[in-house]
Amino acid sequence: AQSVAQPEDQVNVAEGNPLTVKCTYSVSGNPYLFWYVQYPNRGLQFLLKYITGDNLVKGSYGFEAEFNKSQTSFHLKKPSALVSDSALYFCAVRGSLKKLVFGTGTRLLVSP
Amino acid sequence: GAVVSQHPSRVICKSGTSVKIECRSLDFQATTMFWYRQFPKQSLMLMATSNEGSKATYEQGVEKDKFLINHASLTLSTLTVTSAHPEDSSFYICSARVTSGGVGTDTQYFGPGTRLTVL
Repeated sequence: AQSVAQPEDQVNVAEGNPLTVKCTYSVSGNPYLFWYVQYPNRGLQFLLKYITGDNLVKGSYGFEAEFNKSQTSFHLKKPSALVSDSALYFCAVRGSLKKLVFGTGTRLLVSP
Repeated sequence: GAVVSQHPSRVICKSGTSVKIECRSLDFQATTMFWYRQFPKQSLMLMATSNEGSKATYEQGVEKDKFLINHASLTLSTLTVTSAHPEDSSFYICSARVTSGGVGTDTQYFGPGTRLTVL
């Protein structure tokens, strides 16, 4: 079975500070991992994905994510948060079942 | 990135009527599209996988006769909610897959969503 866990319902960070949104996964076979962001009443926007290769993946809007196989994690990071980064973030995994399975989402709130 | 559009963005209908939602891939061809449903403050639930020129594959628990999916072309998939009831009120999001290295590695791009309210 495939599953994704996002342990934090909400992450609060001050503007300019680094941010981390956590994600752990469980999957059969090689994991293909994705991060999406959702703004209110909008669909999901693709941020980045890990397929293979370098464990540090760089994506849109200055976001990056680190794949850690031993810890089965794929945490989303950004060195300096912006107020406009405030949104709902979803981690997703696709494994041998070829279906994209989403986590429950983490709301990021960046304060000025 | 690839652009996926949905229409309408918001619809209100009376109980018992049918509603059609369109999903289009604007700058690429999508042999496979997906329909999701999102409840407030919850994650996305896959309803069905739509393949161009063939019948959709529905997830367990999703009524295929209630949620009719048509994928008549490589750029258009439609979801029709038939005989809608208030419990069908939700946020419906479509997604299209851009083929790159293979099914597992492909990226899915999402439409902006359609909020359906059934009175």
